Amino acid sequence: ETGVTQTPRHLVMGMTNKKSLKCEQHLGHNAMYWYKQSAKKPLELMFVYSLEERVENNSVPSRFSPECPNSSHLFLHLHTLQPEDSALYLCASSQDLARLGPEQYFGPGTRLTVT
Amino acid sequence: QKEVEQNSGPLSVPEGAIASLNCTYSDRGSQSFFWYRQYSGKSPELIMSIYSNGDKEDGRFTAQLNKASQYVSLLIRDSQPSDSATYLCAVITNRDDKIIFGKGTRLHILP
Repeated sequence: ETGVTQTPRHLVMGMTNKKSLKCEQHLGHNAMYWYKQSAKKPLELMFVYSLEERVENNSVPSRFSPECPNSSHLFLHLHTLQPEDSALYLCASSQDLARLGPEQYFGPGTRLTVT
Repeated sequence: QKEVEQNSGPLSVPEGAIASLNCTYSDRGSQSFFWYRQYSGKSPELIMSIYSNGDKEDGRFTAQLNKASQYVSLLIRDSQPSDSATYLCAVITNRDDKIIFGKGTRLHILP
């Protein structure tokens, strides 16, 4: 257990569905991240939040919408996804942003399948 | 050139031997380097961080950093079957302070 939890662990959704992924960290960290991990590709950073403020959006399609209501919780809202969005979605947190306190701790991930 | 490169493997090493994993990076000014271990179906787990040239040892793991040659390596001594996993190299680039991951090297320890 890293102190970062994610729900659900598995999700199957149709292309017209709307769903949300949830991440919670119990480490007192100030920065949280969403990553996408597809087969045979490097981890792709999607969004970065620091103290509930979004500081980075790596050209992610608008069908992915993040929300950070407080420094312990992070959501990823999904709508009208495509089959190529099927992947493992990982949440991570760090004490501060990468350039200040770079060691990141990952949650267990949500395995998403879009049908 | 890819920002962080690793040989995808699989790298097969006999149990008890030393496993050597290598990573090269393109941003010369990078300052922070990490090794993560990821078991199949699990999330990455931080095992080593290194910031200065030279070696850093932690138990059976040794990280080696050579900024002049732009490579970082991970040595695993007395390899165990439980070390079989994918090892991800990550670098925080100097250019824009982003963390960039390599694709990972799959390590297989042969019993």
